[in-house]
Formats: sequence, structure tokens, C-alpha cells
Amino acid sequence: GQQVMQIPQYQHVQEGEDFTTYCNSSTTLSNIQWYKQRPGGHPVFLIQLVKSGEVKKQKRLTFQFGEAKKNSSLHITATQTTDVGTYFCAGPMDSNYQLIWGAGTKLIIKP
Amino acid sequence: EAGVAQSPRYKIIEKRQSVAFWCNPISGHATLYWYQQILGQGPKLLIQFQNNGVVDDSQLPKDRFSAERLKGVDSTLKIQPAKLEDSAVYLCASSLRGGDFSVGPYGYTFGSGTRLTVV
Repeated sequence: GQQVMQIPQYQHVQEGEDFTTYCNSSTTLSNIQWYKQRPGGHPVFLIQLVKSGEVKKQKRLTFQFGEAKKNSSLHITATQTTDVGTYFCAGPMDSNYQLIWGAGTKLIIKP
Repeated sequence: EAGVAQSPRYKIIEKRQSVAFWCNPISGHATLYWYQQILGQGPKLLIQFQNNGVVDDSQLPKDRFSAERLKGVDSTLKIQPAKLEDSAVYLCASSLRGGDFSVGPYGYTFGSGTRLTVV
């Protein structure tokens, strides 16, 4: 069946360093969504990418959708403590548009 | 706009007891989802409603879980009887358009969830 793989599972960075998480789908996606979940919180929708090769920025966050629409990445420049949390990618299934979720990448800021 | 409302926020029950969770989605959102999130894992879809009809409940353990969405608005999720492995956060989410993601940025809006502990 359709799968969305996300790596790495964890990333430890010093505050001010960059962070990247990668998402790969087993099939072409019509779009991909990114969510952030703070510790103890619920997932919060960040962005949706629809077009092949699309790049979108939200302040220090850069989201990319691959040319083949099978992979995506989220890059955070100069991480801050407010960036701590787990970042999930999710893409809709072909059959019923339900989201298939990646396992998430947990961003941990080293003290 | 008001967010997705869920209650209770926390619940502790003994195994074999029953429990119910309530969700009120964003006004106008036709699609409602119940997810189970075990600590350290991503959300797992339990059931999807479109208005008051069930679109997908293939991952709902129907021997113990049930859900309904009366009048296409509020929804309740029930577990009876609960097992230890049901300890998780139960998240309700709604979206404006459940079927066609090709039109507009229709991300899911999640409620704060109910943290269930079965002892």
C-alpha cells in the first residue's frame, strides 16, 4: 500500500544550527502537507504544497516539493527554542484523499 | 474562528470500563476525523466522517470502539470495554473539504485531544 517515509526520526541540534527533515512517498502525491506538534500539544497545520518543484517559505522555514511529487523537505534555518517539537509530513491517498502520515521527525535543541 | 473543541482533556479509567470522548468541529467543516496517537508515534486514523456518514472506519476496532456524528456536526467516540493498550491521546480533526485536496489549502485543524490512561 501507499507509504510515506520520513527521516530522520530524531535530530539534535545546537540552537542556531539548521534542521532538515525529509519525506518520501511510495507513490506520486497530489499534494503534501506539513504539521508541527509541540511537546504535549496537538498537530498544527503549517503548509500545503501542490505544484511540482514548489518552494514555499515561512520566515525561517523553507518547504520544498520534489519535481516528481514523491518527496518533500522542510528546512529550518538558525533554529530557536520555539522550533522544538515533532514535524510531520502527510500526503493524501489516491483512493479516498485520506492523509497518510509520516512517522515524524523530532527536533531537539541541545542545551 | 473558533477551533475544534474536544472534551474531556484528560481521563483515567480502569481496564474494562467504558469511556466517551466528544468533539465539536469548526463550523462548516464537513469532514471530521478521529485519530489515535500513541506516545512517540504519528497519528493513526480511526474513523472519517463526511457530514454524518462514515467514509472510512477500516482501522476502528469495532469490537470495542464506536463513533457517531449526529446531524453532521458534533461527534462522539466511545470505547467499551477499554484495554491497557488503548492508553493514548485521542485527537479529533476537521477539514473544510474532505474529498478534493486539489483545490485550496485545506489542512486539518486538530483539537487539543483527550489523553486517556487505562490502568
